[in-house]
Amino acid sequence: SAVISQKPSRDICQRGTSLTIQCQVDSQVTMMFWYRQQPGQSLTLIATANQGSEATYESGFVIDKFPISRPNLTFSTLTVSNMSPEDSSIYLCSVGDDYEQYFGPGTRLTVT
Amino acid sequence: ELKVEQNPLFLSMQEGKNYTIYCNYSTTSDRLYWYRQDPGKSLESLFVLLSNGAVKQEGRLMASLDTKARLSTLHITAAVHDLSATYFCAVAPDVDDMRFGAGTRLTVKP
Repeated sequence: SAVISQKPSRDICQRGTSLTIQCQVDSQVTMMFWYRQQPGQSLTLIATANQGSEATYESGFVIDKFPISRPNLTFSTLTVSNMSPEDSSIYLCSVGDDYEQYFGPGTRLTVT
Repeated sequence: ELKVEQNPLFLSMQEGKNYTIYCNYSTTSDRLYWYRQDPGKSLESLFVLLSNGAVKQEGRLMASLDTKARLSTLHITAAVHDLSATYFCAVAPDVDDMRFGAGTRLTVKP
């Protein structure tokens, strides 16, 4: 399985600002995913980020709010733009192989 | 749209007791996953079930999959405090289309 790191691990941000979360994998992977986990809730897929193509967003998530970059096979970023308190969540990246997904440690975001 | 339902959502158990968590899903899938999440932590993969009738066991946890009934179970045997966590099932008709249940928050009391 892949080793995944995320930066930052946590942050407290002010309303109206933006935060970029980085996801680094120790091996080359085609499929990367970004999830949001709101407090006490389950995981919701934000988008799929495959290298060489535009990210595919799930219903309810838009590129202007959550722009994603995937410059190579080991790295991706998710930006949370124009934040509001409702964006306070854990954001997790994951990578997939033919059988399952492996999750990063998550970024805990608090918006005040 | 694929729906994944877990029950119970909250489970308080005494140490030494047995219990089962259920995961129902609404569309055909041969891939089902169980994850564990401790407070403030990421998801830890417990079981990957990839075929009808699959049964896997690790320590006090055993998972099974019935694709015809669209049902997976996670059975806990002789619970211990260290098993206290939130358990998620996830269904993935394709590995790039994973949908999670709401999670079962398990508390094991001495």
